[in-house]
Amino acid sequence: EDKVVQSPLSLVVHEGDTVTLNCSYEVTNFRSLLWYKQEKKAPTFLFMLTSSGIEKKSGRLSSILDKKELFSILNITATQTGDSAVYLCAVRETSGSRLTFGEGTQLTVNP
Amino acid sequence: DTGVSQDPRHKITKRGQNVTFRCDPISEHNRLYWYRQTLGQGPEFLTYFQNEAQLEKSRLLSDRFSAERPKGSFSTLEIQRTEQGDSAMYLCASSRDRVEQFFGPGTRLTVL
Repeated sequence: EDKVVQSPLSLVVHEGDTVTLNCSYEVTNFRSLLWYKQEKKAPTFLFMLTSSGIEKKSGRLSSILDKKELFSILNITATQTGDSAVYLCAVRETSGSRLTFGEGTQLTVNP
Repeated sequence: DTGVSQDPRHKITKRGQNVTFRCDPISEHNRLYWYRQTLGQGPEFLTYFQNEAQLEKSRLLSDRFSAERPKGSFSTLEIQRTEQGDSAMYLCASSRDRVEQFFGPGTRLTVL
């Protein structure tokens, strides 16, 4: 059974700090890893990663995948209070369409 | 708004009642997914459709749950004889083939 483990589960930082969120996975036939941001509503898509070592970047957010070590990180630089949310990591197998999610990391950015 | 929409946004029901939720995907998306999310957990896959065909169901989907997508557009998820353990957020997502899934706002179900 596919498994996704995120760490830390909870993180509190001050505005301006840089944070790194971790996601490790076990999946039989890996196809892609996705990051979502969830405020008090539906998850919103951030990144989809399929290849090792290629960083994806969007503004202050960036993410990279290591398929050998089976993990991904999500970095947020110069955090803002609006970054406060749950960040979800999910994996998809080659054979299916379902996403298997981790528990999420609850990030709180204090002013 | 051309995103995924769900109706109702909130539903409170008594144990033993039947409930039905609706999801309207992004119009050009051929795949539609249902997930369930409880507090403090990530979404859990329930089922998915490619056009009108239901191609995969999780073992979480007991025989009290049924989903349809009759014309390959909107979908409904029905829960019969609701139990308190069914209380959760029910999320619908859609995608065009196997690319990223876009989620709707969810239906929060409370079973009293």
